[in-house]
Amino acid sequence: ELKVEQNPLFLSMQEGKNYTIYCNYSTTSDRLYWYRQDPGKSLESLFVLLSNGAVKQEGRLMASLDTKARLSTLHITAAVHDLSATYFCAGENNNDMRFGAGTRLTVKP
Amino acid sequence: DVKVTQSSRYLVKRTGEKVFLECVQDMDHENMFWYRQDPGLGLRLIYFSYDVKMKEKGDIPEGYSVSREKKERFSLILESASTNQTSMYLCASTNSGSYEQYFGPGTRLTVT
Repeated sequence: ELKVEQNPLFLSMQEGKNYTIYCNYSTTSDRLYWYRQDPGKSLESLFVLLSNGAVKQEGRLMASLDTKARLSTLHITAAVHDLSATYFCAGENNNDMRFGAGTRLTVKP
Repeated sequence: DVKVTQSSRYLVKRTGEKVFLECVQDMDHENMFWYRQDPGLGLRLIYFSYDVKMKEKGDIPEGYSVSREKKERFSLILESASTNQTSMYLCASTNSGSYEQYFGPGTRLTVT
């Protein structure tokens, strides 16, 4: 059974700093997803990573996937307040999607 | 634009009541999912459906049932609501072969 663990669960950072959120998964996963959720809102898809070594970037966020280590990372560069949200990773096998607990990110001015 | 809508944003029900949560998607997606979201636990899959009249149990199906009579509509049913079913419920849909799930806005259910 696929299990997904994220860390840290809570992250408070200063504007302008860099940080990384880690997502470990327990068994082979066909795909790895990253989502963003703002308070009171639903989940918004950020990235879908399909293969080993995949790297995707959008603005200040960059996601990567290492299937051998069963690890995905979401790197935040020069954080800004607008990035404050909860970030979820999820692994998927045959349409069975398992989510991590989420990382609540607060970017302080 | 894919749209996934849920019948209520907020719902308050009493213990023992039967509760229906409706989800409708307008993109002819084959697959639909119901999750519940609780703090510190992420999203947990309750049930999913690959086609009309088909359903599969997810991680936490106990206390829930589902119905998919039409392709665009997937209903989650709490036969006899209990306080531990107080949660945020999220519906999602996707097409086979597509990598993205599209989520509805969520229904925050409180059972008193």
